[in-house]
Amino acid sequence: DTGVSQNPRHKITKRGQNVTFRCDPISEHNRLYWYRQTLGQGPEFLTYFQNEAQLEKSRLLSDRFSAERPKGSFSTLEIQRTEQGDSAMYLCASSRPGHLQETQYFGPGTRLLVL
Amino acid sequence: QKEVEQNSGPLSVPEGAIASLNCTYSDRGSQSFFWYRQYSGKSPELIMFIYSNGDKEDGRFTAQLNKASQYVSLLIRDSQPSDSATYLCAVNFNAGKSTFGDGTTLTVKP
Repeated sequence: DTGVSQNPRHKITKRGQNVTFRCDPISEHNRLYWYRQTLGQGPEFLTYFQNEAQLEKSRLLSDRFSAERPKGSFSTLEIQRTEQGDSAMYLCASSRPGHLQETQYFGPGTRLLVL
Repeated sequence: QKEVEQNSGPLSVPEGAIASLNCTYSDRGSQSFFWYRQYSGKSPELIMFIYSNGDKEDGRFTAQLNKASQYVSLLIRDSQPSDSATYLCAVNFNAGKSTFGDGTTLTVKP
């Protein structure tokens, strides 16, 4: 597998429920990023990891959002007590330091709909 | 003012024409610049990156960077209907996160 994978691809949930998304980066990439994209907007940075360390979090990331990368491989993004405003495409990307100017390669995304 | 701004679309060109997409950024310390293409409902896919002033060509695509003017552009020659998509400009200040513009939607009419 040469690409970034994300699961699930689609998630419909009711307001107030918790959801968790998974991202598997390209195997030799030690940096992993989460973005959120709503219709008509570009991706907005949420957080990123280098190996298992979470190096930066956006101010957009409220305390309802948490991300982990426990073993430096796959990552999970959890949203607690979902709100309708959380409906968006959640994108994961990975990169390798020093490779092609840190080009980030995106997974297919997880589309979340909060009813 | 957004950190990365792209010319508002939609942009429509006839098949075979040159499409010109523009992007300006606010942080003078920005180091790397990327163009992604995004089809409706899909994730962004990299077209090319540039980090030195001047032009960089890859097939029908040419990226142009002018750091003094804080400006980066993408030219698509011999535009094809399959080029119809949203084009995203992304800027990296340092290793780490990318800051994206909101994209320009391009339509190439047969």
